[in-house]
Amino acid sequence: NAGVTQTPKFQVLKTGQSMTLQCAQDMNHEYMSWYRQDPGMGLRLIHYSVGAGITDQGEVPNGYNVSRSTTEDFPLRLLSAAPSQTSVYFCASSYPGTDRITFGSGTRLTVV
Amino acid sequence: KQEVTQIPAALSVPEGENLVLNCSFTDSAIYNLQWFRQDPGKGLTSLLLIQSSQREQTSGRLNASLDKSSGRSTLYIAASQPGDSATYLCAVSGSARQLTFGSGTQLTVLP
Repeated sequence: NAGVTQTPKFQVLKTGQSMTLQCAQDMNHEYMSWYRQDPGMGLRLIHYSVGAGITDQGEVPNGYNVSRSTTEDFPLRLLSAAPSQTSVYFCASSYPGTDRITFGSGTRLTVV
Repeated sequence: KQEVTQIPAALSVPEGENLVLNCSFTDSAIYNLQWFRQDPGKGLTSLLLIQSSQREQTSGRLNASLDKSSGRSTLYIAASQPGDSATYLCAVSGSARQLTFGSGTQLTVLP
């Protein structure tokens, strides 16, 4: 089914480990973004991309890297995990013409 | 820096009531405003999108209004049902469709 696919759904990391959260969409959306959601808070923007090869920082980019080598994929890399990065991570995509944004189902990350 | 505030943080109403959720934002230079629904442990579902040039949008029992000059939006839910229980999030969009979210209103509709 068309949509935004995030993997894994759950992950536990030890402090200092690195990992990549995967995000893929098959809707040919140009815009993609990563958000984190902490308890009692709305979503906060980490990084976003307006097209392949173009990325920019959002509100809370420290500790995360992104790249956009293809239109379909927008992976989020945690360089050295910290307990403060325990959160639920959402990937989203949208097409400029419609502005409707589609969210993935999220990755729940725990750093111990 | 854009800031989005949602009031109230939580709301509990009996079934059948009409209700209003409020959203305010500090920078009126927005591309659009969206209302989302989030069920516990789930992702976000887009409910209504209002372009910056529009005043309101309607979908079924939902009506959202936008007053860009005053930095306010409301989500009106008519004849509430227990199935409407969820967290409702307001978000404003910048030019690259990056969203700034409020912290949400947790709605409980009692049978």
